[in-house]
Amino acid sequence: EDQVTQSPEALRLQEGESSSLNCSYTVSGLRGLFWYRQDPGKGPEFLFTLYSAGEEKEKERLKATLTKKESFLHITAPKPEDSATYLCAVRSVNDYKLSFGAGTTVTVRA
Amino acid sequence: DAGITQSPRHKVTETGTPVTLRCHQTENHRYMYWYRQDPGHGLRLIHYSYGVKDTDKGEVSDGYSVSRSKTEDFLLTLESATSSQTSVYFCAISESRTGENTIYFGEGSWLTVV
Repeated sequence: EDQVTQSPEALRLQEGESSSLNCSYTVSGLRGLFWYRQDPGKGPEFLFTLYSAGEEKEKERLKATLTKKESFLHITAPKPEDSATYLCAVRSVNDYKLSFGAGTTVTVRA
Repeated sequence: DAGITQSPRHKVTETGTPVTLRCHQTENHRYMYWYRQDPGHGLRLIHYSYGVKDTDKGEVSDGYSVSRSKTEDFLLTLESATSSQTSVYFCAISESRTGENTIYFGEGSWLTVV
């Protein structure tokens, strides 16, 4: 069974203070690792898909990286608008569904 | 905007009553999903569909049924609602024909069972 563990559960940052979120996973053949952002009262919003170890993707202040066992979401010089819960999910080669971690809630103070 | 509409967005119902949540998509995507989100558990798959009239169970399917009679609509039914089914329900869609595996989510339906 696919498993996804995210750490830390919560992260409080000062504006401009860069940090990283971790997503550790076990899957029987990775088809894709996904990062989503979720704001309170909203549905998850797609950020990135990573397909193979060594792959990196960037979007504004966010950068996602992937190894064979984990993924990191780096937040560079965060702003208050980056405050959200960030969700990691994996999809295995023989499956149509995503298996999610519990998320990391990031709060950025001005 | 992923072209997904969920209804109702908020509902309060009594224990033992049937409840149906509707998901409507305008993307003509083949795959549709129902997830529930609870504190400490993250998003968990209830049921999914890989085509009209083709559905399968997810990890938390007990007490739920689904139907898909048209590509654009995926219904989730709670046969007899219980307090443990109080949750936020998200519909999602994806299209794998092009190899793109991304799953897009709707805005959620908040269900309270009293």
